[in-house]
Amino acid sequence: GAVVSQHPSWVICKSGTSVKIECRSLDFQATTMFWYRQFPKQSLMLMATSNEGSKATYEQGVEKDKFLINHASLTLSTLTVTSAHPEDSSFYICSANRDLNTGELFFGEGSRLTVL
Amino acid sequence: AQSVTQLDSQVPVFEEAPVELRCNYSSSVSVYLFWYVQYPNQGLQLLLKYLSGSTLVKGINGFEAEFNKSQTSFHLRKPSVHISDTAEYFCAVSSSNTGFQKLVFGTGTRLLVSP
Repeated sequence: GAVVSQHPSWVICKSGTSVKIECRSLDFQATTMFWYRQFPKQSLMLMATSNEGSKATYEQGVEKDKFLINHASLTLSTLTVTSAHPEDSSFYICSANRDLNTGELFFGEGSRLTVL
Repeated sequence: AQSVTQLDSQVPVFEEAPVELRCNYSSSVSVYLFWYVQYPNQGLQLLLKYLSGSTLVKGINGFEAEFNKSQTSFHLRKPSVHISDTAEYFCAVSSSNTGFQKLVFGTGTRLLVSP
């Protein structure tokens, strides 16, 4: 089956530094990937839609300058949290849309970011 | 815009008992429906999906769900749960409004299976 890989699984960083999270589709090409944020015991909040070869589409309230998304190839999208602060600590999950006809998503394993 | 409601934030159940996790959606157009499961500190895994055809859909790990268009529901069921079924379950919908390109998730239901 389809596999989406996310790296790193865990990251701890100091306040003010930037962190990059990678999302790869391993056995299919994904023109569209999605980045979600999940707070403890809550649902997934869609942050942005990553489009290969073009700018990402951000959801309302998400700072595009803080959460930089790059989708340079059909198998890789990256999320960079710039100048991270403790309130950015969260679980970030990427997903890829393999079936454009249904919207079915395949998810990465998630990345837990802790900003000290 | 469509929305998904999972009324139960947490469902405690004993091992080998049946369980139903409720999901209702609001949409006046065509929809596709999904159930995902999330184990601690992991991403989401697809349990089952309804696209068309039979309204009773069978998924992995013995789960099934029934699409009820008149009640706009897609409840998830399992006749006998295991301890390993303890996880967070998310219902999601895509609709023709967005060309089925975007999934909208419910708030999730935590299934707690105890011995």
